[in-house]
Amino acid sequence: QKEVEQDPGPLSVPEGAIVSLNCTYSNSAFQYFMWYRQYSRKGPELLMYTYSSGNKEDGRFTAQVDKSSKYISLFIRDSQPSDSATYLCAMSRSGTSYGKLTFGQGTILTVHP
Amino acid sequence: GAVVSQHPSWVICKSGTSVKIECRSLDFQATTMFWYRQFPKQSLMLMATSNEGSKATYEQGVEKDKFLINHASLTLSTLTVTSAHPEDSSFYICSAPSSGGRTDTQYFGPGTRLTVL
Repeated sequence: QKEVEQDPGPLSVPEGAIVSLNCTYSNSAFQYFMWYRQYSRKGPELLMYTYSSGNKEDGRFTAQVDKSSKYISLFIRDSQPSDSATYLCAMSRSGTSYGKLTFGQGTILTVHP
Repeated sequence: GAVVSQHPSWVICKSGTSVKIECRSLDFQATTMFWYRQFPKQSLMLMATSNEGSKATYEQGVEKDKFLINHASLTLSTLTVTSAHPEDSSFYICSAPSSGGRTDTQYFGPGTRLTVL
């Protein structure tokens, strides 16, 4: 069993839709949770990071963490075609968010006009 | 935000040759850098942790003699794929942690696509 599970999709939504992306994890030692966006043939770009259960909002993005259920989510509001990319959840065991990261498989998202 | 560069962005080589990939932190110092490998439509898999001034730490299953890592300075780490074979063809990505600013997090390079013929 993988430590981090993420539905690879692909996920296709119309422009303006609310997108929900999710990951589950099995190791309770994970303390920091991140969402990265990766465009084709590019390195990942950090979107959100959280370290406690609850919600964190940044513009159109909301990250949600439920440590009791070992479940994290990323919501994208008013999705745009430019949001089309692969979204990776990542987690860290260490006490800071820049420790070794364990990634989910990534969800391929397409937002069509 | 912090910038990490990689060179080359893509490379094609013959089987049996060695290939060196550079990872640089452009506007900050990084005593630690991480090297990842990503196969098509798969996630990033951590290969090793590069430490300035000391030996790299390799993840289980990664051959240290095949993937040589040198962290020569506080802004440069290199990954050398020795005697490359077609199964080594992959997308190699480095990252470096940067503290301060809005977040403490890892910044990723743009990746290097290696194709071994």
